Amino acid sequence: GAGVSQSPSNKVTEKGKDVELRCDPISGHTALYWYRQSLGQGLEFLIYFQGNSAPDKSGLPSDRFSAERTGGSVSTLTIQRTQQEDSAVYLCASSLASGQSNQPQHFGDGTRLSIL
Amino acid sequence: GDSVTQMEGPVTLSEEAFLTINCTYTATGYPSLFWYVQYPGEGLQLLLKATKADDKGSNKGFEATYRKETTSFHLEKGSVQVSDSAVYFCASRGGSARQLTFGSGTQLTVLP
Repeated sequence: GAGVSQSPSNKVTEKGKDVELRCDPISGHTALYWYRQSLGQGLEFLIYFQGNSAPDKSGLPSDRFSAERTGGSVSTLTIQRTQQEDSAVYLCASSLASGQSNQPQHFGDGTRLSIL
Repeated sequence: GDSVTQMEGPVTLSEEAFLTINCTYTATGYPSLFWYVQYPGEGLQLLLKATKADDKGSNKGFEATYRKETTSFHLEKGSVQVSDSAVYFCASRGGSARQLTFGSGTQLTVLP
């Protein structure tokens, strides 16, 4: 079946512009996660959604970052007024209900964001 | 908080060599442990997992055993192939945490 789908696969934009990154999780997965992968920081958790509950935003690095998940499915990560340090690969993952820690997360191929 | 420490590498091996990538964790309670693999230009793929002490996860010839006494989850493969060249990430997920905590990743290159 279809895996986690992310778009665009690559995004190049100028400093100061806003960007939107999209994630379409695996059908039936109620939990959705965003991570950031950068050279200096490794893999960092950003935000987590579970069903209709309030998201866990504890990993967002600044108030320029926000995310929403409409209808419990597709999610959009928005970065406003982009800075060069935002350049990274943004990975989305989904899993079945996250109540148990043994549920594996399934990752998309990521969006490579480059800020000029 | 939880943390994962893994051998940084890079690791370069000849085909058919034995592979070990070390991984240790710190966590409250008993986390589930995972190895993910990232091939060039691709996202993370789950390689194997173990959810309790002494469990052995295995897949594609790779194995890792959950060792509570040493808080370790070392990845091993008896005979690597060129196609195993990738970055390997060890990760943990504690009972109350929702997100994964990742190690820094280990770049493996297998030469023919």
